[in-house]
Amino acid sequence: NAGVMQNPRHLVRRRGQEARLRCSPMKGHSHVYWYRQLPEEGLKFMVYLQKENIIDESGMPKERFSAEFPKEGPSILRIQQVVRGDSAAYFCASSRDRRSGRQFYEQYFGPGTRLTVT
Amino acid sequence: DAKTTQPPSMDCAEGRAANLPCNHSTISGNEYVYWYRQIHSQGPQYIIHGLKNNETNEMASLIITEDRKSSTLILPHATLRDTAVYYCIVFRGNTPLVFGKGTRLSVIA
Repeated sequence: NAGVMQNPRHLVRRRGQEARLRCSPMKGHSHVYWYRQLPEEGLKFMVYLQKENIIDESGMPKERFSAEFPKEGPSILRIQQVVRGDSAAYFCASSRDRRSGRQFYEQYFGPGTRLTVT
Repeated sequence: DAKTTQPPSMDCAEGRAANLPCNHSTISGNEYVYWYRQIHSQGPQYIIHGLKNNETNEMASLIITEDRKSSTLILPHATLRDTAVYYCIVFRGNTPLVFGKGTRLSVIA
């Protein structure tokens, strides 16, 4: 029973390059959340997706950041033209569908992707 | 989501019970109390959650006051591996988690 998978675990990009972070939710989970943790700070919500839909992107920076969760395959967080301030740990969490008979389910987190922009 | 208040840090001797308090005086009737912890730089780990009854699982116990304005997470026999930042969060579920600063628990040998 694999948990939430994220890859790569470490990613180094030069300023101006693109970063692609992948998240495979737990089996049976259809909700994905992305959070960012800057050095020495707490986790901040970025975006909440269900299959093929963005539910809440209120935490996403308006430019350069995008996310998707296609019908098949992992969820992708894409950062275009990275800057040094994007260096952080990016965590993905997944949970089950509310309509599965229970009111809600806890979110389970992956190990994170540590992005370093040089 | 309701705001929570936690002490910034606590120490606990190894083998003793660790009692981590949390105030959530503005919690609404349909909001649950969740606890997560983050060990070093790993992904947050779910511990336990509850609505109004006390809860226990293999990791911890959760005691919620009758008026639901505060709760306590209890690690019955703390070990060095329990050293982490513990987050108390209230939310309705299937919404984003709002992490505060949490309590940094140091378990001392």
